[in-house]
Amino acid sequence: EVQLVESGGGLVQPGGSLRLSCAASGFTFSDHYMDWVRQAPGKGLEWVGRIRKNANSYTTEHAASVKGRFTISRDDSKNSLYLQMNSLKTEDTAVYYCARAKYDSRVFFPDYWGQGTLVTVSS
Amino acid sequence: DIQLTQSPSFLSASVGDRVTITCRASQGISSSLAWYQQKPGKAPKLLIYTASTLHSGVPSAFSGSGSGTEFTLTISSLQPEDFATYYCLQLNTYPLTFGGGTKVEIK
Repeated sequence: EVQLVESGGGLVQPGGSLRLSCAASGFTFSDHYMDWVRQAPGKGLEWVGRIRKNANSYTTEHAASVKGRFTISRDDSKNSLYLQMNSLKTEDTAVYYCARAKYDSRVFFPDYWGQGTLVTVSS
Repeated sequence: DIQLTQSPSFLSASVGDRVTITCRASQGISSSLAWYQQKPGKAPKLLIYTASTLHSGVPSAFSGSGSGTEFTLTISSLQPEDFATYYCLQLNTYPLTFGGGTKVEIK
């Protein structure tokens, strides 16, 4: 069974930093691209970014809203995904989900999601 | 960035109704679209990918169609467990973008 468990959320002041983790199990983590998606309270879903696998040099893509502030990384030896968030703004307040990306018909799409971790940016 | 416009944003329907949700892309995205269902306080669940392929375990009452710029998600007979918010996601171009969501509520 695919399981994704996020951790590391909490309350942080504007301008601060936080590192989210996502522990994966039930599948071969190293074979998959991985995504981060967030959802502000009462709002819709926003894609944050993606990290490719080793065969694709672990390259990343980020949404413009977080580029230069957020960094996605992974440790395949620990089956873990990370989101380093710096220079946090109040508008970064959201539930952050990690998701496995599945490949089919030449596209990658999130198929399984974690339960999410809440990040609150407030003074 | 590719914008996805979902309509309607809110839908009131009864159990047994046939429901159709539309997602329009600001530019052509071939069949690179997925649909998700989200219930309050829960993570989204994948329903359909590549516009029309049903994800494993999803009831056959759900179907998707379309290509290019116009896509639809249809629920052939609404069940009590289907009341939720539905999102489309384009997979064609970075950054990936979601539609604004369609909330399906009980009439």
